[in-house]
Amino acid sequence: AQTVTQSQPEMSVQEAETVTLSCTYDTSESDYYLFWYKQPPSRQMILVIRQEAYKQQNATENRFSVNFQKAAKSFSLKISDSQLGDAAMYFCAYRTSFLHTGANSKLTFGKGITLSVRP
Amino acid sequence: DAGVTQSPTHLIKTRGQQVTLRCSPKSGHDTVSWYQQALGQGPQFIFQYYEEEERQRGNFPDRFSGHQFPNYSSELNVNALLLGDSALYLCASSSLRDRAYEQYFGPGTRLTVT
Repeated sequence: AQTVTQSQPEMSVQEAETVTLSCTYDTSESDYYLFWYKQPPSRQMILVIRQEAYKQQNATENRFSVNFQKAAKSFSLKISDSQLGDAAMYFCAYRTSFLHTGANSKLTFGKGITLSVRP
Repeated sequence: DAGVTQSPTHLIKTRGQQVTLRCSPKSGHDTVSWYQQALGQGPQFIFQYYEEEERQRGNFPDRFSGHQFPNYSSELNVNALLLGDSALYLCASSSLRDRAYEQYFGPGTRLTVT
């Protein structure tokens, strides 16, 4: 079974600074997807960024980028130029490759990290 | 384009009662997944419906059951409620046509069991 570990329960960053959120996972599969989701106090889970395991290039979405280390099974999220609106709970999640299952597949989440942004 | 909607927003029930939560998927989506999120924890997968059948199930007892309708909307039923069932219940929809199979989440239903 796949597991996702987020060992930092809380982090804080100064507005306009950069912060990195850590995530490790365990799997025996070679093809899979990794995600970072943001959940603000409004509770709506929003996809921040997605990484496909077979792609060596790290994904980037505007101020958000990942450092994907497949051999180390590490998937960290870097938020640059932090904004007050970035304050939320962030979840790392794993999904088996669609091609492997031939069917839709569940997401396995970590416990999350609460990010606060100081003005 | 309406996103994923869930009803009700909040619900308070007593131990032993039964509850039904509802979800309407994003337009164009055919698959619905349900997750339970305890306070301060990450979501846990309950089950997934496609073509009106349960396709995958997480480690949840039979008290948790579901249904998918021909219009792709879905219900989550929980019988014989326990205090530990208090949680945020999230519905997510997706489409088999999307190789990345991105799941779009609804705002959730907060269930409190007293």
